[in-house]
Amino acid sequence: DARVTQTPRHKVTEMGQEVTMRCQPILGHNTVFWYRQTMMQGLELLAYFRNRAPLDDSGMPKDRFSAEMPDATLATLKIQPSEPRDSAVYFCASGLVTDEQYFGPGTRLTVT
Amino acid sequence: AQKITQTQPGMFVQEKEAVTLDCTYDTSDQSYGLFWYKQPSSGEMIFLIYQGSYDEQNATEGRYSLNFQKARKSANLVISASQLGDSAMYFCAMREVTGANNLFFGTGTRLTVIP
Repeated sequence: DARVTQTPRHKVTEMGQEVTMRCQPILGHNTVFWYRQTMMQGLELLAYFRNRAPLDDSGMPKDRFSAEMPDATLATLKIQPSEPRDSAVYFCASGLVTDEQYFGPGTRLTVT
Repeated sequence: AQKITQTQPGMFVQEKEAVTLDCTYDTSDQSYGLFWYKQPSSGEMIFLIYQGSYDEQNATEGRYSLNFQKARKSANLVISASQLGDSAMYFCAMREVTGANNLFFGTGTRLTVIP
C-alpha cells in the first residue's frame, strides 16, 4: 500500500529557529506539491515540482521559505527563520501529472 | 474570484440517509478535473472521487458519486447510506490543465452523521 510519508508529524519550535520538513513521495510519481492548511486561509499551494524541477513556488514567502527536491525520493520544505504566523499543517502530495494527488499525513507546525 | 465555492460550512445527515455536498467552480479552461477529498479529525487528506471535464458519465466510487452539471459549473458530491465514519470535512478541488497543475481547494463542508 504505497503512501506519501512526511516527517516530523509534529514540530514545536521557537520563533527564529530553522524548521525542515521532509516528504517521501510515492515511488513513480513525477509531481510533488507542498500545501499549507490554516483555519484562516484554508489549503493553499506553496510549491510544485515536476520531475524534480521546481515549476511554481509563487505561493511561498521567498525570504524565509525554500523548497527542494534533492532526489526522486525526497522533497524538503525549509523555513528560516520561523515566525508564529507560520504555524499550520503542511501537507506534501504526490501524483502523476494527469491523475489525482495523494496526500501525506501532514506536519503540524507550532511556532511559539 | 474564488475558483471553488462550497457554500455549506456544515451539514447534518441521519445515519443510512443520503446527503449532497455542494460545489461550484469557476474556470475558463475547457479541460479540467474536479476532485473530492475527505479530511477526518485525524487530519489526513483522503482522495474520494474524480471527474474529468470531458467525462460524459457521472463518476461513482462505491457510496460516493459526483453529480456533474457542466453548464451550471457544479460538481456536487453525493454520499449514499451515510455511516458514522463519514463524519469529516469534505473538500472540493479543481485542477486546470493550464497553469501549475496544482489543486484549488474550496473552504470545505463539515459533515456530521447523526446516529
